[in-house]
Amino acid sequence: GQNIDQPTEMTATEGAIVQINCTYQTSGFNGLFWYQQHAGEAPTFLSYNVLDGLEEKGRFSSFLSRSKGYSYLLLKELQMKDSASYLCAVRDKGESNYQLIWGAGTKLIIKP
Amino acid sequence: DSGVTQTPKHLITATGQRVTLRCSPRSGDLSVYWYQQSLDQGLQFLIHYYNGEERAKGNILERFSAQQFPDLHSELNLSSLELGDSALYFCASSATGGTGQPQHFGDGTRLSIL
Repeated sequence: GQNIDQPTEMTATEGAIVQINCTYQTSGFNGLFWYQQHAGEAPTFLSYNVLDGLEEKGRFSSFLSRSKGYSYLLLKELQMKDSASYLCAVRDKGESNYQLIWGAGTKLIIKP
Repeated sequence: DSGVTQTPKHLITATGQRVTLRCSPRSGDLSVYWYQQSLDQGLQFLIHYYNGEERAKGNILERFSAQQFPDLHSELNLSSLELGDSALYFCASSATGGTGQPQHFGDGTRLSIL
């Protein structure tokens, strides 16, 4: 079967670092995306991983381990504007015919 | 600004009615995707079109249909509307839908069924 798990909600402090985990099960892994979505707004693309390892983009980094079916999004130097939901999505070349399977999202609350 | 345009932004209608949501993809993008997002829920994939042809269907109800026109804009038609259809409907586009291409989302159409 296909499944993506993320924590429902996390809280962190402004200026700190937070790691949002994502575990997945798919029949044919073909890449993993992270998106940010502010309440009531469109998701915006953050990062993409297809090979194992860390991809860094400014304050945001994303890690992938295909053997473990695991990814995380690391946010550094947290700002109040980082309060949003973070969506993990896996491209599946098996049952889903190359479509994205989306996690339910992790709501990140930043406190001053 | 993602470059994906969705109209209208808001739609209020009654049960049993029919509505059409419109999407213009980013310039040059051939793939268009439709998603439904109910309040505090995840994104539910509805359908994917590539260059005018249906590529994949997700959890799309039979009351819903879509098409992509020769100019690549797409429309999602929702009929016999029910209260549970109230949601945010997103359109996204990508260049071809190939590996590694992110989907870029429009601002969505918020549909409210009274």
